[in-house]
Amino acid sequence: LAKTTQPISMDSYEGQEVNITCSHNNIATNDYITWYQQFPSQGPRFIIQGYKTKVKNEVASLFIPADRKSSTLSLPRVSLSDTAVYYCLVGDMEYGNKLVFGAGTILRVKS
Amino acid sequence: DTGVSQDPRHKITKRGQNVTFRCDPISEHNRLYWYRQTLGQGPEFLTYFQNEAQLEKSRLLSDRFSAERPKGSFSTLEIQRTEQGDSAMYLCASSLSVTGREQYFGPGTRLTVT
Repeated sequence: LAKTTQPISMDSYEGQEVNITCSHNNIATNDYITWYQQFPSQGPRFIIQGYKTKVKNEVASLFIPADRKSSTLSLPRVSLSDTAVYYCLVGDMEYGNKLVFGAGTILRVKS
Repeated sequence: DTGVSQDPRHKITKRGQNVTFRCDPISEHNRLYWYRQTLGQGPEFLTYFQNEAQLEKSRLLSDRFSAERPKGSFSTLEIQRTEQGDSAMYLCASSLSVTGREQYFGPGTRLTVT
């Protein structure tokens, strides 16, 4: 499974756009990139998933360059309630039976 | 609420005792997963079921751990002869086969072994 590297923590202010970049140099052809969010004392929550280029939903956007060795999760106009841990995961849809989480990025949004 | 539920939410037990946790997945989801999470770390995969069949177990799942999903609906995770190192959050998740990487997690059971 491809290893992912993401910043340990990030700070932002309310109303700003936040971009969290994840490095996955050894991503395989069949691998997808998936992001989860976790609030304290709760289970992780699926945010977004993509294979290449750009994916967007009501919560976030995911940018994946052509070489797919990195990806960027973009959160528009964050609020205090976006303070959470964000995990970048890489794996294929068949082997997606288990999710392999790293330590994630702690995002702190300040007022 | 039709999300994944787990019971109990908190469990304090003494070392050497047995504990059992229950997970009720989203009703139409055929896949069910167990993960363990310790403070400051991401969840670690323990095992997963497709319907009632247990298809994969992590090496983290020692002989003291056993999981079942007898009718392909709810699942139980039992830990025998608990040790202090078993203290963690135990998370259950469910999904449909076709969307395996989009898993829905429950709130977890926090286990404290004293």
